[in-house]
Amino acid sequence: GAGVSQSPSNKVTEKGKDVELRCDPISGHTALYWYRQRLGQGLEFLIYFQGNSAPDKSGLPSDRFSAERTGESVSTLTIQRTQQEDSAVYLCASNDRVVKAIYFGEGSWLTVV
Amino acid sequence: QQQVKQSPQSLIVQKGGISIINCAYENTAFDYFPWYQQFPGKGPALLIAIRPDVSEKKEGRFTISFNKSAKQFSLHIMDSQPGDSATYFCAASMNTGFQKLVFGTGTRLLVSP
Repeated sequence: GAGVSQSPSNKVTEKGKDVELRCDPISGHTALYWYRQRLGQGLEFLIYFQGNSAPDKSGLPSDRFSAERTGESVSTLTIQRTQQEDSAVYLCASNDRVVKAIYFGEGSWLTVV
Repeated sequence: QQQVKQSPQSLIVQKGGISIINCAYENTAFDYFPWYQQFPGKGPALLIAIRPDVSEKKEGRFTISFNKSAKQFSLHIMDSQPGDSATYFCAASMNTGFQKLVFGTGTRLLVSP
């Protein structure tokens, strides 16, 4: 597609449930990032994938958070046993190794009730 | 040392005025400094970026000024328009194989008609 695509765009879930968020990066982009943005706050790095290299998971806030990516395609961010503090917009971004600019998707708005 | 400090937190400018947002960093290894613009409900969009080998970059009404010795950079929006009302984030990263952007906390700009 022309841009980074994320789904669902909105998700309301009950505390304790698991959620999966999906990101489809720009075609040809080898790098994929997940960021979290709490309401009115800045962008918090979560995880980075670059090609077939081991992902950098240094930003994941707890072991309830995990992400996968197959090759250079779609990525899934999974949050297990969701808590209210997980409520945020989860933003995915991608770029290639030549062009430094990182392009973001529209985000997945997660509300844990 | 990985932080990027952004100010002000919010800014109100009259239409036609100049909006100025400032950022400061500590890590001298940073060598890529983008600015992102985010409208409510949307993902951040790359606005303009600069590298430390130049002191200024201009694109239309948007200018980045960079002061390497002071480790500061700023965004100037000339002839500010109501459509510029958005949240602006500065960011920085190192030119390694891994582009982990570190973001400022954001500036909410309101341009009054």
